[in-house]
Parts: sequence; structure tokens; C-alpha cells
Amino acid sequence: DAEITQSPRHKITETGRQVTLACHQTWNHNNMFWYRQDLGHGLRLIHYSYGVQDTNKGEVSDGYSVSRSNTEDLPLTLESAASSQTSVYFCASSDGTSGEGNEQFFGPGTRLTVL
Amino acid sequence: RKEVEQDPGPFNVPEGATVAFNCTYSNSASQSFFWYRQDCRKEPKLLMSVYSSGNEDGRFTAQLNRASQYISLLIRDSKLSDSATYLCVVNGGSASKIIFGSGTRLSIRP
Repeated sequence: DAEITQSPRHKITETGRQVTLACHQTWNHNNMFWYRQDLGHGLRLIHYSYGVQDTNKGEVSDGYSVSRSNTEDLPLTLESAASSQTSVYFCASSDGTSGEGNEQFFGPGTRLTVL
Repeated sequence: RKEVEQDPGPFNVPEGATVAFNCTYSNSASQSFFWYRQDCRKEPKLLMSVYSSGNEDGRFTAQLNRASQYISLLIRDSKLSDSATYLCVVNGGSASKIIFGSGTRLSIRP
């Protein structure tokens, strides 16, 4: 069965360290997304990609970067982790072009704590 | 004003009751609408899309009111397993314009 996975599921790191969160999908979807979820804010878009070699900034992209070298993976890198980046991170993917109104399939999430 | 607003709840209702949530959005150009369900410490999952004509899936009914810019979700004969957070999602036509509401928490009591 097709799926979307994230690793690690839990991560504790220190301020200033570089951290990479992995996202892998086997749906063969063009579109992939990274969100963070914090109390009172719902899910906020960090970065997204419409296909290989395409990346775009979302609402809260400062301090984060992504790369899309193949269809299956969209790793999220925190350049220099800050305590404000403590959150739950969800990766998602969807079919279709340009992320128009298609169902998004979410990974199980990564809980990141920055001390 | 937030682009997508939901009453955070919690709604605490007895099993078998009917409960309804609304979600208002500010972008009149929004093109597609969804309800997602999120269980505690889990990922969101699509519950249903919301069509202009309204749609029903078993005990769940979703409606769209473009004039007043809100969508609604009605749950009839609620079950204990309906306890979750319900997220309203509004898509303005591109990935950067997919906006999630903060969610409405529903708790069904026996």
C-alpha cells in the first residue's frame, strides 16, 4: 500500500544545531508540503514543492529549507535550530498540478523539541 | 481577522446527539473546501470535501455558503468514536493558499 512516512518521529536537539527531518512518500504524488502545528495556530505551511527541482516558500519559511531531488522525498532542514521551532511537523503529499484542491495525505508527524 | 476561523470548542455532547460546526473564511476567491479529522497526537485525515451543492456521507453532512463565506459540518447520531478535532481547510487555488483552521474539538460522552 502507498504511504507517506516521516523520520525521526521524535527529536530533541539543542539551539544552534542543524536538523533534518525526512519525508518519504510512495504515492508518486507531484506535490509535497511541510507544515508545523502549534497550539492556537493550526497547521501553517513552511515549504512546498510541485515536482522535482521545484521548491517554494510558505507562510513561515524563515529558518527552514527544503530540496526536491526526486519524486519521493522532501527533506526539511532547520539551518540553526531555535526554541521557537519546537513544534510538531507534518509532511503531506497530494496528486494533481500546482496543489489545487486535491486531498492531502499526511505523514504521522515529527515532534521536535529544541532546548 | 484570521483567514479561516473556527470555534475551538470544546463541544461536549452526549452520544446520539446532533452537533454542528461552522467555519468562516475571508478570501471570497477561495475555490475548494474540506473537512479533516485529527485524532489526538495523530495526523489529519480527510473527512470529506465540501461541494457547492452540499454533500452527505452517512451521518456527516457538509455545506458551503459562498454568500456568507462559511462552511458547515453536521454530525448526526454522534458516536464515541467521533471524538476528535475537526479542521476546516480552505484552498484559494494554489498550494500557498491552502489555509487550515485551528480546529474545533469535539468530545462525545456516553
